Amino acid sequence: DIQLTQSPSTLSASVGDRVTITCRASQTIYRWLAWYQQKPGKAPKVLISDASSLESGVPSRFSGSGSGTEFTLTISSLQADDFATYYCQQYSTDSSFGGGTKVE
Amino acid sequence: QLLESGGDLVQPGGSLRLSCAASGFAFSTYAMSWVRQTPGKRPEWVSAISSNGRSTYYADSVRGRFTISRDNSKNTLYLQLNSLRAEDTAVYSCAKVPTTDVLWFDPWGQGTLVTVSS
Repeated sequence: DIQLTQSPSTLSASVGDRVTITCRASQTIYRWLAWYQQKPGKAPKVLISDASSLESGVPSRFSGSGSGTEFTLTISSLQADDFATYYCQQYSTDSSFGGGTKVE
Repeated sequence: QLLESGGDLVQPGGSLRLSCAASGFAFSTYAMSWVRQTPGKRPEWVSAISSNGRSTYYADSVRGRFTISRDNSKNTLYLQLNSLRAEDTAVYSCAKVPTTDVLWFDPWGQGTLVTVSS
């Protein structure tokens, strides 16, 4: 099974900050990685697929990069609506999720 | 666009059938999937099915106990849960996926709660 490790698990930030979340895979997943945002009581919403493809309707302040085993999600200027938990997910072999990063 | 139902409290070893009613897109042309999540924990992929229903895939944790199916005439996805265990307790959501080889999930339904307890 492919394990995904996210860091940090919790991140304290302020509106306007640049925020970076890292996701490391236990083996290469090429670019088969998605990022999700989840707010309390809601289903996750996909932000990015294929490591760096921004999904329709997602603000351009979100970006993804990386390949192989190391990936990052960057929020260029944190907005009030961005306080949430973020998950990475690999789909190279079946599917698995990282442990999440809570942005507070 | 995706509305799950069928979740309930069930005893260990029991069975349950979940449904997911789809609307607003061409259901019969998309692969579909089930994902589960326990509050405060990471999501876990459970199962996927091709657009025509002929190909099915399962996570190791549920293979042999759960069965995914679909009825394209009713725009509905199903998950039959058998031999339930306490660790199957979760909110089960259905989601649309690009293909059964490309399992990223968009959108997700709000989910239905399955609780396995005596």
